Amino acid sequence: KAGVTQTPRYLIKTRGQQVTLSCSPISGHRSVSWYQQTPGQGLQFLFEYFSETQRNKGNFPGRFSGRQFSNSRSEMNVSTLELGDSALYLCASSLAGAGVGNQETQYFGPGTRLLVL
Amino acid sequence: ILNVEQSPQSLHVQEGDSTNFTCSFPSSNFYALHWYRWETAKSPEALFVMTLNGDEKKKGRISATLNTKEGYSYLYIKGSQPEDSATYLCAFLIQGAQKLVFGQGTRLTINP
Repeated sequence: KAGVTQTPRYLIKTRGQQVTLSCSPISGHRSVSWYQQTPGQGLQFLFEYFSETQRNKGNFPGRFSGRQFSNSRSEMNVSTLELGDSALYLCASSLAGAGVGNQETQYFGPGTRLLVL
Repeated sequence: ILNVEQSPQSLHVQEGDSTNFTCSFPSSNFYALHWYRWETAKSPEALFVMTLNGDEKKKGRISATLNTKEGYSYLYIKGSQPEDSATYLCAFLIQGAQKLVFGQGTRLTINP
C-alpha cells in the first residue's frame, strides 16, 4: 500500500508570493491533517479535512487555507508569503480522523520544505 | 493554551544501554496519547496510540506506559541500537477535537 505522498518536496519562494502544496493520502483514508514545523517549534496543527469539509483549524492567520477534493487529496495554500512561513509542512492521513474513535493512527508524509526569501 | 512537554530535549546514550523519557500532558479531557519516531529525512512513524490509564504497549525493544490521572507517559528503549537514533514525539488528543497537540520532542542519539 502506497504511503502518504507530498509534492513538491522542496520549494523556494519570495516574500509576497503565494504557494500551493499537495498531499495524497493513503488509499481509503478520508481524513487529512496539515502541520507546520519551524526551527525550535514542535509540530503545529494547521487544519484537518474530512470528506471535503474542514473540521478543525489551528491558530494560524487567514493567509493559510486548504481544501480537500472528492478523491481525498488535499491542498494547502499560503498567500502573501512572509519570511516566517519558511518551514517544513507535513500532512498526515487517517481513516476517519484523530478524534473519531481514539485508536486512530495518523500516517505522515515526508513533508514539503518551504523556504521564503 | 494546551501544553504538552517532553523531557529531556536531547539525550545521548551508549549503544546497549537502556533509556527512557517523559511526555507530560493535561490530565483533563484526555482522549488519547500518540508516540511517534521521527528519523532525519524520513516521515514521522507511529509507534503507539495509548488510550487507557495504566496502558502498557510494546513494540520490539520499545515500550510505553500511560498515566492519565497524573498526565504523563514514559517511553522506554531497552538495549539501545544506533538505528534508534531519532526524535521521539508525543502528541495529545483532546476529547472532541480533531487535532493532535505535539510536544517538542526528545532527540535521542545512540553512541556506538
